[in-house]
Amino acid sequence: IVLTQSPATLSLSPGERATLSCRASQSVTNFLGWYQQKPGQAPRLLIYDTSNRATGIPARFSGSGSGTHFTLTITSLEPEDFAVYYCQQRTTWPRTFGGGTKVEIK
Amino acid sequence: HVQLQQSGPGLVKPSQTLSLTCAISGDNVSSNNIGWNWIRQSPSRGLEWLGRTYYRSKWWNDYAPSVRSRITISADTSKNQFSLQLNSVTPEDAAVYYCARDDKKFFDFWGQGTLVTVSS
Repeated sequence: IVLTQSPATLSLSPGERATLSCRASQSVTNFLGWYQQKPGQAPRLLIYDTSNRATGIPARFSGSGSGTHFTLTITSLEPEDFAVYYCQQRTTWPRTFGGGTKVEIK
Repeated sequence: HVQLQQSGPGLVKPSQTLSLTCAISGDNVSSNNIGWNWIRQSPSRGLEWLGRTYYRSKWWNDYAPSVRSRITISADTSKNQFSLQLNSVTPEDAAVYYCARDDKKFFDFWGQGTLVTVSS
């Protein structure tokens, strides 16, 4: 399953709302997750199964969607949220990741 | 709290074998509802899942088609760790390699990453 993320780069200011998209080449039902990665670090799980926040993830992160179109929303960007975000499906093996969206400071 | 600590060489010669180990603390490699994975990341291939080992009454493995002929992932219960071996490496195998745990859903704990360079 191919996951396509858009946009590649999102330039926003702290306090603004970020909306990231992930589209799947076939339905993944709701088995879609999101990760955040900062430079030099491993990815960190944010959202699992479309809309469930992982342990310790702030409420400003939310996920939605179903089938082939999914969205990660960050309601009000904090300085620590500027990073690269990846989606990943767990419907089929091999597990696959999207190409990432970089959220950068405008 | 689960922690994964990776070890292994960061430089491998072309055609040789890449070997990495992931030591587990806070969990058990034989846990019944857990999988132990290797994932790599490179600018050209992005994040790529390579394979996993898991215990369900016996040991099982799943591997990505892209590396299936060259990869072995195995567990060492005496040391509570698991390992990756990737044979016949080429420069295209250069990447940051991560070990990661999956709870039958997503990858919830990751190792620190190992940058592997393939060069003579």
